[in-house]
Amino acid sequence: DTGVSQNPRHKITKRGQNVTFRCDPISEHNRLYWYRQTLGQGPEFLTYFQNEAQLEKSRLLSDRFSAERPKGSFSTLEIQRTEQGDSAMYLCASSVSTPVGNTIYFGEGSWLTVV
Amino acid sequence: DQQVKQNSPSLSVQEGRISILNCDYTNSMFDYFLWYKKYPAEGPTFLISISSIKDKNEDGRFTVFLNKSAKHLSLHIVPSQPGDSAVYFCAASFNTDKLIFGTGTRLQVFP
Repeated sequence: DTGVSQNPRHKITKRGQNVTFRCDPISEHNRLYWYRQTLGQGPEFLTYFQNEAQLEKSRLLSDRFSAERPKGSFSTLEIQRTEQGDSAMYLCASSVSTPVGNTIYFGEGSWLTVV
Repeated sequence: DQQVKQNSPSLSVQEGRISILNCDYTNSMFDYFLWYKKYPAEGPTFLISISSIKDKNEDGRFTVFLNKSAKHLSLHIVPSQPGDSAVYFCAASFNTDKLIFGTGTRLQVFP
C-alpha cells in the first residue's frame, strides 16, 4: 500500500495525558499536512511541512500541540496535557507541490477520544 | 470567517438521477478547487479538481463546474449510484497553498 499511513487509528486517553500520532506520507511527496476534523465540520488546517521545514501553523494549533518532520520523511503530531476539546479525528495528508494546483491525499485518520 | 461554504447539509437523490452538490467561496484569490468524498471513519478521498482557468472538468460520472464571477462551483454526479452515498467536501486553495474546506454535504442515494 503506497498511500498515506497513520497510526494509531484510534486512541483513548485520559485528560491531561500526552498523545502522539505518526504519519507516513506517500513516497516522494515533499509536502505533508495535518488537519483536524470534528463532527459536522470540514477538515480544519493545523500545519504543514515542505520537506523538513514547517512552513505554516494555524492559530488553532495551541502551544500544547507540536509537529515535527525530521529528515523530511514521516511526521509526528504530539498533543500535551490533552483536554476533552481535543477529541477529534486527526488527518494527515501529503502532496507534491506543482505550479498548477496542489492535490492533497489523505490518510485514514487517527481518532482521539479524551475522557 | 468561513471562506468556503456548503449551504446544503444534506441531499437525497434517487439512484440513476443526477446529484448536484454546490459550493460557494468568498476569496476571489482562490485558483484551485477540489472535491473530496468521505465515508464514516475514513479519511477524505480526492475526486476531481479544477483550475480557475477552466470552467468545467469532467471525469467519468463526475463533472465539476466553476463560475468565477459568482464564486460558485458545483459537482454533478450522473448517474447517481448507492455507493455514492457519503459526505462530499469542496476545498479551495491559492497559489498552491493549503486547502480550505467547506463543512460538507451528506449525499444519500436511494434505490
